[in-house]
Amino acid sequence: AQSVTQPDIHITVSEGASLELRCNYSYGATPYLFWYVQSPGQGLQLLLKYFSGDTLVQGIKGFEAEFKRSQSSFNLRKPSVHWSDAAEYFCAVGVRTGTDKLIFGTGTRLQVFP
Amino acid sequence: DTGVSQDPRHKITKRGQNVTFRCDPISEHNRLYWYRQTLGQGPEFLTYFQNEAQLEKSRLLSDRFSAERPKGSFSTLEIQRTEQGDSAMYLCASSPSRGARGTDTQYFGPGTRLTVL
Repeated sequence: AQSVTQPDIHITVSEGASLELRCNYSYGATPYLFWYVQSPGQGLQLLLKYFSGDTLVQGIKGFEAEFKRSQSSFNLRKPSVHWSDAAEYFCAVGVRTGTDKLIFGTGTRLQVFP
Repeated sequence: DTGVSQDPRHKITKRGQNVTFRCDPISEHNRLYWYRQTLGQGPEFLTYFQNEAQLEKSRLLSDRFSAERPKGSFSTLEIQRTEQGDSAMYLCASSPSRGARGTDTQYFGPGTRLTVL
């Protein structure tokens, strides 16, 4: 069965520090992979996606993610975190059937200290 | 492009009452999804529409839940005889038709937060 694991429930970093959020997936074929961000009380905003091709994908707000098939991972990175990056981050895999529904991880809450 | 909109944004109801939520997808998006997000969890898939046809329903969608998308435009999600366990954020998303550019990306609305007392 398809699944997504985000091992870190809560991460705290200082503003300006680098960030890596972990995501591992289970999927039988080449996956669609996504990172979404959710601010309190808000819907989900797409940060970036991997569909095929280059395994290092660039997204909005200075984020990037690397697809590693051998490790079944799709970790999200940012070289220098800003206070406005504090939010909940969700990794998701797209089930490539007729619906293309998304399977989400449980999320990682990012707190940024000044 | 005005994005996906949902109404209401917040709903407080008493146990046993019926509630209905509305989702207006991005215009010309044929595919529409409903997800439910409980506290501390990621969104979970509930149901999927392609145009007006409801093509998949999750086991999470009990008999008390019903969704419609008349004429393939807006969609409604109704919960009958609400229970406290129904308290959650209900998210709607839309995407272009399969084969169209960007079909792999779902665009989410702001959600409807339901509280059942």
